[in-house]
Amino acid sequence: SQKIEQNSEALNIQEGKTATLTCNYTNYSPAYLQWYRQDPGRGPVFLLLIRENEKEKRKERLKVTFDTTLKQSLFHITASQPADSATYLCALSGGYNKLIFGAGTRLAVHP
Amino acid sequence: EAGVTQFPSHSVIEKGQTVTLRCDPISGHDNLYWYRRVMGKEIKFLLHFVKESKQDESGMPNNRFLAERTGGTYSTLKVQPAELEDSGVYFCASSHGTSVYPTDTQYFGPGTRLTVL
Repeated sequence: SQKIEQNSEALNIQEGKTATLTCNYTNYSPAYLQWYRQDPGRGPVFLLLIRENEKEKRKERLKVTFDTTLKQSLFHITASQPADSATYLCALSGGYNKLIFGAGTRLAVHP
Repeated sequence: EAGVTQFPSHSVIEKGQTVTLRCDPISGHDNLYWYRRVMGKEIKFLLHFVKESKQDESGMPNNRFLAERTGGTYSTLKVQPAELEDSGVYFCASSHGTSVYPTDTQYFGPGTRLTVL
């Protein structure tokens, strides 16, 4: 069955450093891979979408890579700030239909 | 532009009772999705409407769950009768894309936290 793995343990980093989160998947060939941010008590907020034919996407301090051979995506936050502390979710889809989510990785940025 | 809204934000009911959750998507979004997150698990897909039609309901757990989207605007998700394992957070999302021009960004509401006692 389809499976998405994200680091289950929280990632703790110092303010100003680059945070790197990993998303690995198996038994799936997604057309799109997306990253969402979720804060406690709130719904997921869309951050970035990358298509299967794209290797890298950037938006301000965020960067996503997508390696369909390794079946892996890396999500980077450069110059991290305490306000970046949240849970980050990886989600895959084949089109405009359902998203398949990973369990998420909790990021804590310390001053 | 208003985002996706959900009502209520919290609901606490007894086992065997009925609960109806409501979702108002972003205006103009034909696609509406329901997802659920139970304690300690990942968010899981329940179903997908395109306008008023059910496009994919493969994630619905059983026939105690009934989703409707009359008129292709807001949607309701009814659980009848509720069981303990139905507790969790129910999210609604909407998107603009079509099968011909897929725009896969889904915008999520804040969720409804359902507790079944």
